[in-house]
Formats: sequence, structure tokens, C-alpha cells
Amino acid sequence: KAGVTQTPRYLIKTRGQQVTLSCSPISGHRSVSWYQQTPGQGLQFLFEYFSETQRNKGNFPGRFSGRQFSNSRSEMNVSTLELGDSALYLCASSKDRGLSEQYFGPGTRLTVT
Amino acid sequence: DAKTTQPPSMDCAEGRAANLPCNHSTISGNEYVYWYRQIHSQGPQYIIHGLKNNETNEMASLIITEDRKSSTLILPHATLRDTAVYYCIVRPTTSGTYKYIFGTGTRLKVLA
Repeated sequence: KAGVTQTPRYLIKTRGQQVTLSCSPISGHRSVSWYQQTPGQGLQFLFEYFSETQRNKGNFPGRFSGRQFSNSRSEMNVSTLELGDSALYLCASSKDRGLSEQYFGPGTRLTVT
Repeated sequence: DAKTTQPPSMDCAEGRAANLPCNHSTISGNEYVYWYRQIHSQGPQYIIHGLKNNETNEMASLIITEDRKSSTLILPHATLRDTAVYYCIVRPTTSGTYKYIFGTGTRLKVLA
């Protein structure tokens, strides 16, 4: 069974640009969550999507947005990039909400210069 | 804010049991305890979860105190590949936001 895949794995962008990251969940998983990981702040929850609807959102500015498609694949977008957005962005999928454990992808390493 | 407290780091000799404690004194009745670990440069990996009974799987055992205010993850025979940051998380599973709030975790170093 294929795991969670994220593309691209590495990305370099310039301040002010925007970026779109993609996540393909494990087949049959309907919930997708996104996290930002930095050395200073650790793993922080961004948002969760289930059945194409955002169900939860973390404490991030509106520049961070996402969506989920009917096949459960998800994208997150960051507009007007700032240096502080440099981070590892992790996607995790689970069968359902609630009790299901999450399976994480390898992440996308974003560097903003 | 994270609802758990873990020691920042621990060492364990290879082949010995690694016992990682977690305090979750404000845990609610519908919240489960989850453990994940993150090996350097990889995404976190699910280990185990439980509500109030002790749980065991092929990776580890989870011991939850009777009052549910603390728990211990046990890796019975630690290997060098178990060197990682271990996160203890509490989250509701029947209602509420469901989101995982990761704390700073425990950095476990298994020594040869």
C-alpha cells in the first residue's frame, strides 16, 4: 500500500512569491491535515480537511490556505511568502476523523530567500 | 498549547528497555493518548494509542495510570534505529476538534 506522497520535496522561492504544495493521501483515507515544522516552533497544526471541507484551522495568517479535492488529494497554498515561512511542511492522512491514527508524508522543504 | 509534558531528552543503552514518561494531568474523559515519533528528517510515525487500558503492539507498549494523568511508552529492546524524538499527544476522538497538538517531545538517544 503506497504511503502519503508530497510534491515537490524541495522548493526554493523568493519573498513575495506564492507557492502551492501537493499531498496525495493513502488510498481510502479521507482526512488530510497539514503541519508546519520549524526548529524554533516545532510541529504546528495548519489545517485539516475532510470530505472537501476544512474542519479545523490552526493559528496561522490568512496567507495560508488549502483545499481538498473529491479524490481526497489536498493542496496548500502560501501567498506573499515571508522569510519566516521557510519550513518543512508535512501532510498527514487518516481514514476518518476521531480515533484514526495519522500517517505522515516525507514533507516538502520550503526555503524562502 | 500542548496538553502534555515530557522530559526534553533521555538516553538508553541498546538492547535495554526505553521508558518514556508523559504527564497529561488535564486529560478529559473522551481524550485518548497517542504516541508518535520522528526520526531525523522524516515525517512523524504513529506508534500506539490508548484510552485507559494498557496497550501493546509490535512496536511498543503503552502504560496509562489508573487516574489517566500520566502514561509511559515502553520500547522493550531499544535499538539504534529507535533514536528519534517521541511525541505524546492527547486528543478527543468522539467530538471536538480532533486536531493533534504536538509538544516539544522527548529526544531519545539509544547508545551502542
